[in-house]
Amino acid sequence: DQQVKQNSPSLSVQEGRISILNCDYTNSMFDYFLWYKKYPAEGPTFLISISSIKDKNEDGRFTVFLNKSAKHLSLHIVPSQPGDSAVYFCAARVSGGSNYKLTFGKGTLLTVNP
Amino acid sequence: GAGVSQSPRYKVAKRGQDVALRCDPISGHVSLFWYQQALGQGPEFLTYFQNEAQLDKSGLPSDRFFAERPEGSVSTLKIQRTQQEDSAVYLCASSLDMTETQYFGPGTRLLVL
Repeated sequence: DQQVKQNSPSLSVQEGRISILNCDYTNSMFDYFLWYKKYPAEGPTFLISISSIKDKNEDGRFTVFLNKSAKHLSLHIVPSQPGDSAVYFCAARVSGGSNYKLTFGKGTLLTVNP
Repeated sequence: GAGVSQSPRYKVAKRGQDVALRCDPISGHVSLFWYQQALGQGPEFLTYFQNEAQLDKSGLPSDRFFAERPEGSVSTLKIQRTQQEDSAVYLCASSLDMTETQYFGPGTRLLVL
């Protein structure tokens, strides 16, 4: 049973336009969310995160929005650049306890066309 | 500074062989995680260390999987009697402590024939 779902396996956008990647989760205990970016043959690279006490976090071209009532988050990339082409993973965790393991979605392949 | 490193980067094993995968975390990072990523899937949690203590091994798929971090730094994931379903990328991540951001290594791609 997938607790973190990325329902779009792929997304294609034009350079300079906005990329919106979506993520849904089912576990209401999740209180911290992260986005990772992954190039082929490399490990995931941390992009941006958001705590459940916020609904928006921005870092340069990247903004993450969290809608707790809908159990939905999204990553906006503006403007999109060809170098942004990669697989993007949404991840979530439950804080507290003795383990802060991450639960990942299956990823969305973003292609930014020049 | 140096990131998380893993070795070997690629490993081909015959079914039934034992393999050992190594992870060198970022210096000073207390927490270390192992994940398994099957083709077309996201990483899935295997086990977690806080210093040398293995606090959670609930994600290990079978008793053929064993992990250790004897001195609280380098970690080794060992898979005994490998099976074809063990073929995956094995990712190691470390963080300053368990509440901080996890930084991933490049992974070891294991292929069991």
